[in-house]
Order: sequence, then structure tokens, then C-alpha cells
Amino acid sequence: EPEVTQTPSHQVTQMGQEVILRCVPISNHLYFYWYRQILGQKVEFLVSFYNNEISEKSEIFDDQFSVERPDGSNFTLKIRSTKLEDSAMYFCASSGTGGADQPQHFGDGTRLSIL
Amino acid sequence: AQSVTQLGSHVSVSEGALVLLRCNYSSSVPPYLFWYVQYPNQGLQLLLKYTSAATLVKGINGFEAEFKKSETSFHLTKPSAHMSDAAEYFCAVTGYSTLTFGKGTMLLVSP
Repeated sequence: EPEVTQTPSHQVTQMGQEVILRCVPISNHLYFYWYRQILGQKVEFLVSFYNNEISEKSEIFDDQFSVERPDGSNFTLKIRSTKLEDSAMYFCASSGTGGADQPQHFGDGTRLSIL
Repeated sequence: AQSVTQLGSHVSVSEGALVLLRCNYSSSVPPYLFWYVQYPNQGLQLLLKYTSAATLVKGINGFEAEFKKSETSFHLTKPSAHMSDAAEYFCAVTGYSTLTFGKGTMLLVSP
């Protein structure tokens, strides 16, 4: 069964450094998402992406965050200047059509640790 | 706007016992509801979904959930727990496309 893959599985970064989290969505999917889960808290929506542009973003997704689909397969989340509070598990997801009834398929996540 | 409340951060059952994980939602539009399961060091795996067809939804691994509009609930059940069911379970709601998750319930299964 097709999978969403995320790399790296664990990223340790110094505060203030830039970090790029990478995702390869399921190949025929058109909608892409990033979520994050701070330890002990809910999974929270960050951003959705369709047709090479952001379709929706949460208040968490401020100017330090950006997303990109640099080629036909990868989908990246960049955090420009990391803060301690960015430490979390980041999940990428994709869906075929983006309709509310379509399930989103999640990757295994990247655990980001900011020192 | 949507929100999800999962009652009980931890639920403990014995192997073979009934599993009941509670989820209540609120939504300003007709909701679509999902249950996801997360095993240690893995991502979120879809268990089942409600998308306005049958109110009793069957999913993978013997789980099912019933949508009750009058109670704004979507509780997850399984008649007989297995050790392999030990994981964290998340209820999620959407009205458009982005998912709003509950805080999750850790299911502990003892022999």
C-alpha cells in the first residue's frame, strides 16, 4: 500500500538555526498537509497546500514557517529561525482530492528537538 | 469551527474485554469524523471514517464506531481487546478539509 514517507525521523537543531523537514506524499495525491504534535498535546493543523500554493494555514503557521513543493515528489516544511517551542513531532499528510470526506494519509513523523 | 473532546487520557482493559473509547465533537457544519491509531514511533493510521452514509461504521482490526448526531458523539468500540490493540487513539473532525484532533486516548491492554 502506498505510504507517505518523512525524513529525517529525528532532527536535533540549535535554537536560531534553520531546519527543513521533508516529505514524499503518496504519488497520485494532490493535497498536502503539515501537522505538529507538541509532547503531551493535541495534533494541530499547520498548513494545507494544493496546486503549488497554500490553501489554508493556522495561526501557528507564522512568518518563520514556509512550505514548498520543489519537484514532483517532495513537499517540505522550512522553519527559518527555530525556537525552543518548535520542538515537536511534525507530521506530513496527503489526500487524493482534498474533499472533507477523503481520509488524509499520514507519515511516521519527524521528531524535531531544539536545543 | 470544530472541536473534539476525548474523555479519558488513558483507558485500561483486560485482554478479551470490551473496548470503549469516547469521542464527542462540535461542528458548525455537517461533520466528517475519523478515528486514527498511533502505535509507538509510528504515524497516524486511519481506523475508520464517517462520511454521512451509514451511522455505524466498521473499520480495520475489528473496530467500529457509531455516529450519534443527537449526542454529538462518535465513540469507538471493539468487542474483544487484543494485546496488539495497545496504542494511542485519536478522534478527529472536519467540515471542510483540515482535521481537528482530540487529545488522544492511550489504550492499555493487560493479559
